[in-house]
Amino acid sequence: QKEVEQDPGPLSVPEGAIVSLNCTYSNSAFQYFMWYRQYSRKGPELLMYTYSSGNKEDGRFTAQVDKSSKYISLFIRDSQPSDSATYLCAMSYNQGGKLIFGQGTELSVKP
Amino acid sequence: GAGVSQTPSNKVTEKGKYVELRCDPISGHTALYWYRQSLGQGPEFLIYFQGTGAADDSGLPNDRFFAVRPEGSVSTLKIQRTERGDSAVYLCASSFGGLDYGYTFGSGTRLTVV
Repeated sequence: QKEVEQDPGPLSVPEGAIVSLNCTYSNSAFQYFMWYRQYSRKGPELLMYTYSSGNKEDGRFTAQVDKSSKYISLFIRDSQPSDSATYLCAMSYNQGGKLIFGQGTELSVKP
Repeated sequence: GAGVSQTPSNKVTEKGKYVELRCDPISGHTALYWYRQSLGQGPEFLIYFQGTGAADDSGLPNDRFFAVRPEGSVSTLKIQRTERGDSAVYLCASSFGGLDYGYTFGSGTRLTVV
């Protein structure tokens, strides 16, 4: 069993839809939770970063962490075709250490 | 530079050959990370440098893989006796050493072993 599980999709939604992306994890020692976006043939770029449990909002993006359930989510409101990419969840035990990534979910937003 | 630079962007090599992959981090970033990403998978951690020293090399798959960062800036990932299973995109990332500003990734080196 992988430490971090993520549904690979692909996920296809119409423009303007609300998108929900999720990851589960097995190690309760994870303290830092991130969502990265990766366009084709590019490196991942940080979207959201959360420490411990709670919600964080940034524009159209909301990240949620539920440590009791070992479950994290990313919501995208009013999705746009430019949001089409692979979304990767990532977790870390400590500041500055290695990141453990999920498999990535491929998202396509159709105009 | 403005971002993390990785060279070459593509590398095709024959099975059994030696390859070097280079990473130029963002100026001033003290931490540097190497990851490997296979098709359809998330990046997999290989090694992490803080300054010149390897702080965590637990992800290196075997002794054919080695990385250096002699002056605390540029890093080179070295793979000996390449195998077809080494084919992947090798990503480099750098940071100031914490997660608050995230890790900045390069676009990677796509390695193909034939």
